[in-house]
Formats: sequence, C-alpha cells, structure tokens
Amino acid sequence: KAGVTQTPRYLIKTRGQQVTLSCSPISGHRSVSWYQQTPGQGLQFLFEYFSETQRNKGNFPGRFSGRQFSNSRSEMNVSTLELGDSALYLCASSPGTRTEQFFGPGTRLTVL
Amino acid sequence: QQQVKQSPQSLIVQKGGISIINCAYENTAFDYFPWYQQFPGKGPALLIAIRPDVSEKKEGRFTISFNKSAKQFSLHIMDSQPGDSATYFCAASPLSGNTGKLIFGQGTTLQVKP
Repeated sequence: KAGVTQTPRYLIKTRGQQVTLSCSPISGHRSVSWYQQTPGQGLQFLFEYFSETQRNKGNFPGRFSGRQFSNSRSEMNVSTLELGDSALYLCASSPGTRTEQFFGPGTRLTVL
Repeated sequence: QQQVKQSPQSLIVQKGGISIINCAYENTAFDYFPWYQQFPGKGPALLIAIRPDVSEKKEGRFTISFNKSAKQFSLHIMDSQPGDSATYFCAASPLSGNTGKLIFGQGTTLQVKP
C-alpha cells in the first residue's frame, strides 16, 4: 500500500497570508490526525478527524482549522499566518480512532 | 497533567552497544505507548508500541519495557548500528475519549558511532 502523502512538501508564505495543506491517508484508513513539529515545542497535536467528524482538538488558536472529506483525505488551514507558525506539519493516518498511526513526510512551512 | 517526559535529550553509543531511552508520565490516563523513529527530512515512523497489560514487548533489536506502578517506560535498542542514528520519540495516548491523540516526549537524538 502507498503511504501517507502530503502536499505540498515545502511552502513559503508571508505574515498575514493563509495556507492550506493537504493529506491523503493510507488506503482504507478512516482517521487522520495533524501535528505541528517545531524545535522548541516538539510534536504537538492539532486535531483528529474520523469519518469527516472532528474527534479531538489540541490547544491551538482558532486560526488553525481542518476538515476531512468523504474519501478520508484531509486538509488543514492556517489563516493570518504568524512567524511562529513556521514548522513541519505532519499528518498521520490510522484505520480507526485508537489504533497505530502512520505519519506522512510532512509539509515544511516557512513564514517570512 | 497530560505530559510525557523523555530522557536523555541526546545519546552517543558505540556500534554494538545498547541504547536506552526513558520516558515517564504523570497520570494513569494513558493506555497506549508507541515509540517513533525519525530521520532528518522524514516523518516519524512507528517502531514498536505497547499497552499497559504487558510489561515488555520485543521486536527484533527493539524492546519496550513498561513499569505501570512507576509510570515509566523505556526503549532498548540492542546491538546498536550506525543506521539507528536518528531521533526517537516516545508517545502516549489518553484513555479517556474516543481519540487517537498522541502526546509526545521531547525526543532523543541518538548517534551510534562506528
């Protein structure tokens, strides 16, 4: 099976802009979670979707949002970008909500 | 409090040696403990995972030891190889709620010297 794919792999934006990141889970996986990875804060949970419903949300401002489509593909959106949003954004998929999670390669977002 | 503390921050081991990374959690609200390996420029890859009903799980050269009473778990890498040089993360998933949310430790950078 193909692994988790994320697009784009690299992105450069300026402060105040918005960005949309995409994640395609492993075929048959219905759960998608998003994480932010930075050198200072490490890996932090953003949100989790299962069957198009948000199951859980991390402690991030409302500028961070996401959604999941009927084919399990997911997108996350960050509005009004700040310098501190520069990070590696990782998507993970799993067959269910409490099973092993498999990560994609991430999208490296740089905010200038 | 839902935190996972990982140590050491960095580790240097000679080829063939044993690498040991430790993690501790503060409350009993976790019921799934995976370890991930991450190489530069890549996403984390699941190595091995354990649930609290067992005290040890072994897969190849990788072993998780779990101490429920001490709220600690550790990763042992036997016969460490230069190809094992990577960053390792422990994680825990909360028991409450129907969620797969993972709470990660801060990571350990392992260097295995030839």
